[in-house]
Amino acid sequence: GAVVSQHPSRVICKSGTSVKIECRSLDFQATTMFWYRQFPKQSLMLMATSNEGSKATYEQGVEKDKFLINHASLTLSTLTVTSAHPEDSSFYICSARGGGRDTDTQYFGPGTRLTVL
Amino acid sequence: QKEVEQNSGPLSVPEGAIASLNCTYSDRVSQSFFWYRQYSGKSPELIMSIYSNGDKEDGRFTAQLNKASQYVSLLIRDSQPSDSATYLCAVYSWGKLQFGAGTQVVVTP
Repeated sequence: GAVVSQHPSRVICKSGTSVKIECRSLDFQATTMFWYRQFPKQSLMLMATSNEGSKATYEQGVEKDKFLINHASLTLSTLTVTSAHPEDSSFYICSARGGGRDTDTQYFGPGTRLTVL
Repeated sequence: QKEVEQNSGPLSVPEGAIASLNCTYSDRVSQSFFWYRQYSGKSPELIMSIYSNGDKEDGRFTAQLNKASQYVSLLIRDSQPSDSATYLCAVYSWGKLQFGAGTQVVVTP
């Protein structure tokens, strides 16, 4: 149980284009989903927290107009990187909370590796 | 001061030995603590959660929590080469998980 999927697993795009990443909780309803970014050999950096049906809460320094988050249902959240640039190349990972016996527990998706040329 | 602190390693452990990982945290009111394992190029995978003082065992893993000392640890018994990974300590604080930088463990045959 408590499986989270992400799609796509890998994407390469040209500078200036937008990329959408989907995060789904497959076997539980996720009241809250989180989006992280991880650069090589660095720790996870929380970008934003989203609750179903409400606006996402962004961490300090994360541009909300560049990283659009939509949490339209209890099983789906999307992250859109708008007008992507090479510096946005990173490993984007979502996590979901709300499944299993422990509501504080976060389960991670497999991640999306974004390369912007 | 970082919210969650871990030694970055690498921690080199002979195969079959016990790996001991430590983590300290700053928020005294934290109640939920987690250990995740992350292989290179992969996302974190939950190993254990612990909420009460003392030990919690799951297979070859034992988590230990001491809230008075604000300390949580993870023991890996009978370490295997497949245990080579980065281990992330996470503490639930202010509505979100605070992660340590991770300890890299290398199990040598």
